[in-house]
Amino acid sequence: AQKITQTQPGMFVQEKEAVTLDCTYDTSDQSYGLFWYKQPSSGEMIFLIYQGSYDEQNATEGRYSLNFQKARKSANLVISASQLGDSAMYFCAMREYGNNRLAFGKGNQVVVIP
Amino acid sequence: DAGVIQSPRHEVTEMGQEVTLRCKPISGHDYLFWYRQTMMRGLELLIYFNNNVPIDDSGMPEDRFSAKMPNASFSTLKIQPSEPRDSAVYFCASSPRLAGGYNEQFFGPGTRLTVL
Repeated sequence: AQKITQTQPGMFVQEKEAVTLDCTYDTSDQSYGLFWYKQPSSGEMIFLIYQGSYDEQNATEGRYSLNFQKARKSANLVISASQLGDSAMYFCAMREYGNNRLAFGKGNQVVVIP
Repeated sequence: DAGVIQSPRHEVTEMGQEVTLRCKPISGHDYLFWYRQTMMRGLELLIYFNNNVPIDDSGMPEDRFSAKMPNASFSTLKIQPSEPRDSAVYFCASSPRLAGGYNEQFFGPGTRLTVL
């Protein structure tokens, strides 16, 4: 069963605008962690942000913030003030308690246009 | 810190040949992961090690794939014999010991494998 769902088609975003990338997840565990990674065209996987299931505050890292809605099982990534360098694939991932496996979604493609 | 190091970065081989991918994790990290990325299946975990011991190899596709970690600073993923459907990007990642939280995994640059 798919644990992470990212269904948005490729997105074009105007430079300096904000973009929200959707991620829903499926787990019966109460303890888990959610991650977002960026993969630019060069191919490397870059960690962006982490949210723990017990964290009461939404995680923020610079221009990245995570809109965590636990009851809806969603963990959307918000990129504010988009830059050309934000053009990439973005992957949502989850790790359940006591399990070191990261389950990844299929990714969201973002293209930032000037 | 040099980060996770993988070699080679690109590998082109012919069907039936043996392929060995190499990984050096970040020093001090207790966990090492091997992933495969394809357009069709996305990112899949193949196997992971804790303190050099294989913990979960349920993602290894078949007996043609094997992975070893002889010491804390080196791991290999071997495919023998290789097939065209093995063409993918193979990532190695490492993570420090889980200390009550969910430490991020640090990825290497990947090895792009093409099997002709």
